[in-house]
Amino acid sequence: EVQLVESGGGLVQPGRSLRLSCAASEFTFDDYAMHWVRQAPGKGLEWVSGISWNSGSIGYADSVKGRFAISRDNANAKNSLFLQMNSLRPEDTALYYCAKGLSSSTVDAFHIWGQGTMVTVSS
Amino acid sequence: QSALTQPASVSGSPGQSITISCSGTSSDVGSYYLVSWYQQHPGKTPKLIIYEGSKRPSGVSNRFSGSKSGNTASLTISGLQAEDEADYYCCSYAYTSNNFFWEFGGGTKLTVL
Repeated sequence: EVQLVESGGGLVQPGRSLRLSCAASEFTFDDYAMHWVRQAPGKGLEWVSGISWNSGSIGYADSVKGRFAISRDNANAKNSLFLQMNSLRPEDTALYYCAKGLSSSTVDAFHIWGQGTMVTVSS
Repeated sequence: QSALTQPASVSGSPGQSITISCSGTSSDVGSYYLVSWYQQHPGKTPKLIIYEGSKRPSGVSNRFSGSKSGNTASLTISGLQAEDEADYYCCSYAYTSNNFFWEFGGGTKLTVL
């Protein structure tokens, strides 16, 4: 069964940085695009960023562009997705989900979701 | 980038059919067949139920169907069951200025009466 396990969330002060990780297993990681989607407490879903299978196509929501950076490690069976979050703001407070795409391309839907890791930005 | 528009809530009785609309623009829903729908029960992870406008992933009930007309996509649930009570989100791919992105709707809470 496909597994996605996020980590790295926590409480952080505004302006600081945080790096999220997503460990993937039970599927061929480098065959699929991956995404980060967040959900603020009591609110709806917001797509944050996505990356194609070979990192050749990367996209960001306007709300995080220039502050967040997505990356992935397909090598040596690391099978991990990352989100480097800089200059964090209170409005970045949310549960961050890692999601596996339906295919290698970022144009396909988000098929499997992890349980999420909570990020709280507050002084 | 702007959110797609969904009704905040819909309701129906068991056995009935309901439709949730998802209104976008010619830059997103109207330009691509890449609309997907997600079901989220309270406290649970979202689940993909429709992709590419009308396709169902393996294991999703055929009571769920999707369609699109112009800039509006729709999700129809037939034969409503109590377990269908959840939040539903539409999502569309878009591309502009050498950047791709995905937009979600604000979500629709389905109540099964």
